[in-house]
Amino acid sequence: DGGITQSPKYLFRKEGQNVTLSCEQNLNHDAMYWYRQDPGQGLRLIYYSHIVNDFQKGDIAEGYSVSREKKESFPLTVTSAQKNPTAFYLCASSPGTASAGSPLHFGNGTRLTVT
Amino acid sequence: AQKVTQAQTEISVVEKEDVTLDCVYETRDTTYYLFWYKQPPSGELVFLIRRNSFDEQNEISGRYSWNFQKSTSSFNFTITASQVVDSAVYFCALSEASGNQFYFGTGTSLTVIP
Repeated sequence: DGGITQSPKYLFRKEGQNVTLSCEQNLNHDAMYWYRQDPGQGLRLIYYSHIVNDFQKGDIAEGYSVSREKKESFPLTVTSAQKNPTAFYLCASSPGTASAGSPLHFGNGTRLTVT
Repeated sequence: AQKVTQAQTEISVVEKEDVTLDCVYETRDTTYYLFWYKQPPSGELVFLIRRNSFDEQNEISGRYSWNFQKSTSSFNFTITASQVVDSAVYFCALSEASGNQFYFGTGTSLTVIP
């Protein structure tokens, strides 16, 4: 079955540690996105990538980093510089771009708790 | 300014009632796209529908229907004869031909009581 896999589902880290969230898709989609979801705030864009080896900052990129070395993979690193990293993180992919109205396909999300 | 507004934070209905989820958007583009997604308790957002700005026809899919009105910048979602399985958070979203990202509303949490 084609889809987007995010792992792990739950992740716990101590403050000051970097942590990497995995996102893999086998849909052959060009575009991939990372969103952060907090209660009452909807989805906020962290980073997106429309093509391998290229990515762009979203609205809340500070304290995060990404890479896009393969079409299938778009890992997100939450660094110690992120002031409030505890949140639900959603990865998404799309066959086209937002400007073309191509809908997003989402993974199951990773819930990160930093203490 | 918020590009997509979902004023209803939480709605509770009794099973078999009809319910309408409101979505108001703001854009200066003439070409844009509107979406609805469903987020069940499992967490994954599920794509429900996409409309482009040139197609104002209402759409019906089973118990779901969507009312797109450019005059009021609204794209409302109605569930007819609601069921417990409809309980979820529903998000409305917008993308613009001139842009690179999607704009999501803050979501409406729907609870259907058996």
